[in-house]
Amino acid sequence: DQQVKQNSPSLSVQEGRISILNCDYTNSMFDYFLWYKKYPAEGPTFLISISSIKDKNEDGRFTVFLNKSAKHLSLHIVPSQPGDSAVYFCAARGSNYQLIWGAGTKLIIKP
Amino acid sequence: DTAVSQTPKYLVTQMGNDKSIKCEQNLGHDTMYWYKQDSKKFLKIMFSYNNKELIINETVPNRFSPKSPDKAHLNLHINSLELGDSAVYFCASSQMSGKYSYEQYFGPGTRLTVT
Repeated sequence: DQQVKQNSPSLSVQEGRISILNCDYTNSMFDYFLWYKKYPAEGPTFLISISSIKDKNEDGRFTVFLNKSAKHLSLHIVPSQPGDSAVYFCAARGSNYQLIWGAGTKLIIKP
Repeated sequence: DTAVSQTPKYLVTQMGNDKSIKCEQNLGHDTMYWYKQDSKKFLKIMFSYNNKELIINETVPNRFSPKSPDKAHLNLHINSLELGDSAVYFCASSQMSGKYSYEQYFGPGTRLTVT
């Protein structure tokens, strides 16, 4: 029973264009959402987060949007750069201190 | 300065052996975690300690035993290793605020291969 879903296993985007990564969740009790970036042979690195009381959070080239009614969040990266090529994980904070993770989306930035 | 470190990075061992993975964080956080990344790349929480107290204990075989000697260390001991234990194990830490924690910081992972 996947409570956090990232339905696109991979995404290929031209350098300089916008990358949009999507995440859906099923539990309306989730109150905090995070995006992590992971390079091969490294641990995930925190990227950006959003509280459920907001609908947008921006940090430089990265913006996260939250649509609570649709139980959907997205990460926008603009402009996309070669160093953005990585696996991106969406995570949601549930009860009992836990983060519930999506399966990840591999982003490939083409030169 | 490495914030969350794990040793070893790679571990190859035979079925039936007992092994340990060590984790240390120098971020001053009060909560530490062990995750397993399976073959499908899902990150699954195994254990979590807050101030040396076990707060998350997911359904994992009791061959897995975490030990937290202090807030900065969380070790994972695995008895009688099985082929299915092969995976990447990540340690993480975070700071709790009340009953909530915010972003977690991860170590580089330990790739365990059981032959």
